[in-house]
Parts: sequence; C-alpha cells; structure tokens
Amino acid sequence: RKEVEQDPGPFNVPEGATVAFNCTYSNSASQSFFWYRQDCRKEPKLLMSVYSSGNEDGRFTAQLNRASQYISLLIRDSKLSDSATYLCVVNGKEGGSTLGRLYFGRGTQLTVWP
Amino acid sequence: ETGVTQSPTHLIKTRGQQVTLRCSSQSGHNTVSWYQQALGQGPQFIFQYYREEENGRGNFPPRFSGLQFPNYSSELNVNALELDDSALYLCASSQQGFEAFFGQGTRLTVV
Repeated sequence: RKEVEQDPGPFNVPEGATVAFNCTYSNSASQSFFWYRQDCRKEPKLLMSVYSSGNEDGRFTAQLNRASQYISLLIRDSKLSDSATYLCVVNGKEGGSTLGRLYFGRGTQLTVWP
Repeated sequence: ETGVTQSPTHLIKTRGQQVTLRCSSQSGHNTVSWYQQALGQGPQFIFQYYREEENGRGNFPPRFSGLQFPNYSSELNVNALELDDSALYLCASSQQGFEAFFGQGTRLTVV
C-alpha cells in the first residue's frame, strides 16, 4: 500500500467552481502535512501546510483528520491560473531518517476552463 | 524563487554511462533531499543528507549515491545508467526536515 494515496483525476471544472481534493496516508505517526502545487514540467512549490485545526489562505482551505488519516484541499472560485497538479505530501520518519522525510502522492491534475 | 538551484537543467546520456547532478541549497538550510519523478507520477524519495551524512534512503539501488558538502550543497551520482532512469530529478532543501523547497530540477534522458 502506498504511503500517500490521491485520486489522480483529472478534474476539469469551469472558472468560478469549487473543487475539492482528497488524500489519505498510511502512517499514523506522520508529523506534518502539506499541499504542493506543480505546474507542467516544473518543480513542486509549497502551496500550504495543513494543520489539525484546519487552515485557510484566501480561496484555499486545507483540513486534516488525524483519526481518519485524511487530508483535504478545497479551492473556491477557481481561476484559470489554478490549473496545475496538486500534490498531497506527508512528513514521516521511516526509511532510516531521524529527521523525517516527505512522502508524495502521485498528484491530482486540475484543469480550469473559461 | 526558492533559492535552490540545480545543474544542469537538461541532460542526455547513453545507457551504461555515469551522471552527476548538482544542487545548491537555500541559505540557512542544512538538509538536502533528492527525488526522482517519472512522467505522471509523484516524486519518489531517493535519499536525504543532513550535515554531510546520509539520513534516510528510499528504495533505490546502490548505483544511486550522493554527497553533501560543508556548504550544504549536494551531488547525486548515478552509475550504470538504465533507460528507466530517465526522469526529472528534484533537489529539495529544508531546515532539519521541515517543509521543503525545490530546485527547478534536472531532466535526464537516457538513450
């Protein structure tokens, strides 16, 4: 079983729509959670960290449910510029790392059309 | 920009050759991680270096090796290249394993 599971999509939505991405992780001892955004053929860029209390940054809202090992990202009022792949990322301490390392989902592709 | 730079940006090698990829980490970051990203997949962890020591390794064979230098920059070396090694190689720097910032990547093609 993969450490981080995401629906690969693609999600195709019109401008102005609300879209939700979901992600599950397998290691209950995971410490930190993030959403990264990756544009075509570019590097991933940190979109936002995810906290247990939930957090919001403008049109983006992230939620974490530790009991269900579930992370979500909600994008409201979608813009054309939101078109990208969204990567769910979890920091865990397997693989011999004392610091923890990042586990990536395969990403969910979003296309926002006019 | 993240301040993480990778070189070269693109590279073409033939099967069996060796390659060295380089990464300069963001100022103040002492941890560098390397990832391999195949087309349509999320990044896969290769290994991580903290203060010049390997600190965790993913499921990659020993022909993938690395170094971290006193200035925290890093190299990824791959020996005996195989066709399946063709991918985007990403370097990420962080402060002790927290949120990571990526370089633009090196796109390696093995023919």
